[in-house]
Amino acid sequence: EAGVAQSPRYKIIEKRQSVAFWCNPISGHATLYWYQQILGQGPKLLIQFQNNGVVDDSQLPKDRFSAERLKGVDSTLKIQPAKLEDSAVYLCASSLDLGRAQETQYFGPGTRLLVL
Amino acid sequence: AQRVTQPEKLLSVFKGAPVELKCNYSYSGSPELFWYVQYSRQRLQLLLRHISRESIKGFTADLNKGETSFHLKKPFAQEEDSAMYYCALRGATNKLIFGTGTLLAVQP
Repeated sequence: EAGVAQSPRYKIIEKRQSVAFWCNPISGHATLYWYQQILGQGPKLLIQFQNNGVVDDSQLPKDRFSAERLKGVDSTLKIQPAKLEDSAVYLCASSLDLGRAQETQYFGPGTRLLVL
Repeated sequence: AQRVTQPEKLLSVFKGAPVELKCNYSYSGSPELFWYVQYSRQRLQLLLRHISRESIKGFTADLNKGETSFHLKKPFAQEEDSAMYYCALRGATNKLIFGTGTLLAVQP
């Protein structure tokens, strides 16, 4: 089966510019996650969707970050305006069902963002 | 507070030597713990989960609730084990809380 797809793989922008990342989860997976991984740290959850509804966005900087999953499949994460500290790898993951314990999350290759 | 601590940023061993990657956690309740691995130029993937009590690629991990630890062990390291290893805790809503990771380097 095809894995989680993300694009672009790399992005370089200047601070105060905007950027958008796209994620296509594994077919049939109801739950989609966006993680931010800053260099030297583990991934940190930004937002979690169950179908097209938000389950957890407690760590999403809502003044500049937004995300949507309009049809319950693909998702877009946007940063506007970007800051230097947003430089990180943005990982998308999906899992089959939110409610099952020990549900495996499958990760995409990530988008590496550099803000200059 | 829910937290995962991996005290070693880098662990370097020789091929055939035993490996132990340390992981400690803080969680009020019954924890669910995982080890994820990222090989060079590959995506993050699940290695093993504590509830399965399985051995994957020769690795095992035992949950010790008294010491709040979930250390990853392998008796004889192989060069292909070289990778970044992350310990993770399943928090509320199924989100994963990751440690900072340990880079395992297996020398020939």
